[in-house]
Amino acid sequence: AQRVTQPEKLLSVFKGAPVELKCNYSYSGSPELFWYVQYSRQRLQLLLRHISRESIKGFTADLNKGETSFHLKKPFAQEEDSAMYYCALIAGNMLTFGGGTRLMVKP
Amino acid sequence: DTAVSQTPKYLVTQMGNDKSIKCEQNLGHDTMYWYKQDSKKFLKIMFSYNNKELIINETVPNRFSPKSPDKAHLNLHINSLELGDSAVYFCASSLSGSSTDTQYFGPGTRLTVL
Repeated sequence: AQRVTQPEKLLSVFKGAPVELKCNYSYSGSPELFWYVQYSRQRLQLLLRHISRESIKGFTADLNKGETSFHLKKPFAQEEDSAMYYCALIAGNMLTFGGGTRLMVKP
Repeated sequence: DTAVSQTPKYLVTQMGNDKSIKCEQNLGHDTMYWYKQDSKKFLKIMFSYNNKELIINETVPNRFSPKSPDKAHLNLHINSLELGDSAVYFCASSLSGSSTDTQYFGPGTRLTVL
């Protein structure tokens, strides 16, 4: 069975500092991984997916199959990045979420 | 235009009651889902329907019964509510249920069982 782990429940950084939200997964097949974000009082929404290899709002995430990781990174955090971030893996059509990391960006 | 909507947004009820949460999507998607987010913020899938057919049913008590009258709606009925059912329930939809599809989430329904 697949599993997604986000080891940090809370990550607090200052504005302008680099950010890395960790995500590790276990899955026997070829994984498809996503990052979802939930801003305060808003619905959960897709931030990015590894197959797109895109950068959204300055965030990037690289799938590292050797380390079974999909860490989310941003070189310079902004206050508006403060939110709850969820790493997720899809197997078949079942999306499995990590426990979430709350990112707080302080001014 | 709201893509995925849920009603009600908040639901407070007594133990033992029966309640329903409604979900509607206007995206023309074939697949809809229900997720439960517990007090520790863990999000876990409960059910998935594709074109009104149940395709995922995780280990959820029989007290939970999803109903899909048409592919734009997936309602969640809960019988004999228990304290442990208190959570935020999210509905989501995707185009076809393929692993390449993005899932779009509703705003959530916060259920509190007293």
